[in-house]
Amino acid sequence: SYVLTQPPSVSVAPGQTARISCWGNNIRLKRVHWYQQKAGQAPVVVVFDNSDRPSGIPGRFSGSNSGDTATLTISRVEADDEADYYCQVWDSSSDHYVFGAGTKVTAL
Amino acid sequence: EVQLVESGGGLVKPGGSLRLSCAASGISFTRYSMNWVRQAPGKGLEWVSSISSSSDYIYYAESVKGRFTISRDNAKKSAFLQMNSLRAEDTAVYYCATGGAAVWSGDYFDSWGQGTQLTVSS
Repeated sequence: SYVLTQPPSVSVAPGQTARISCWGNNIRLKRVHWYQQKAGQAPVVVVFDNSDRPSGIPGRFSGSNSGDTATLTISRVEADDEADYYCQVWDSSSDHYVFGAGTKVTAL
Repeated sequence: EVQLVESGGGLVKPGGSLRLSCAASGISFTRYSMNWVRQAPGKGLEWVSSISSSSDYIYYAESVKGRFTISRDNAKKSAFLQMNSLRAEDTAVYYCATGGAAVWSGDYFDSWGQGTQLTVSS
């Protein structure tokens, strides 16, 4: 089955840039979506289809997908960005959605 | 405003059954697939099951295949997850979420409910 690997945690000073990686075999061939989940809340999509942003999501959130790595970038990190972030793809080989294990972002 | 409200969670003994419901409002329900995602205590998100807008495509995670059944009632704008042969490892918050009409297109989940808690314990 398809596996997505994320770093468990990323720490960044407020105002700096956080980059969260999501590794998967030939992930460049897939549509990658990213979700933000704050403590006690339901997930919210922040980037879909590798690099598109839903309305209402700040432009500080951006995504890219190349080779075996998709990346969610949060520019000018704010305290409110502290959350768990998950990548997601549809694996057509198994007809399954797959989530990464999640990355906890901490603003130092 | 889109609203998804899950219900039906609770405490169940191992081997027991439960049916979760997800009521949708504020959307054209037949335009969306419905999906269930769970989150065990302190763990990450796990996709459970998806059903296409017209119920012609249904998918399950290996961990629940043969035990869980997803369905929907478009007239009532509701989706359901029938869970049988429950195990302790099924303990989680269960979220329903909307996605693209055709599950196999791999669309993102754009609206989520607040979740309902299932605890499987003797």
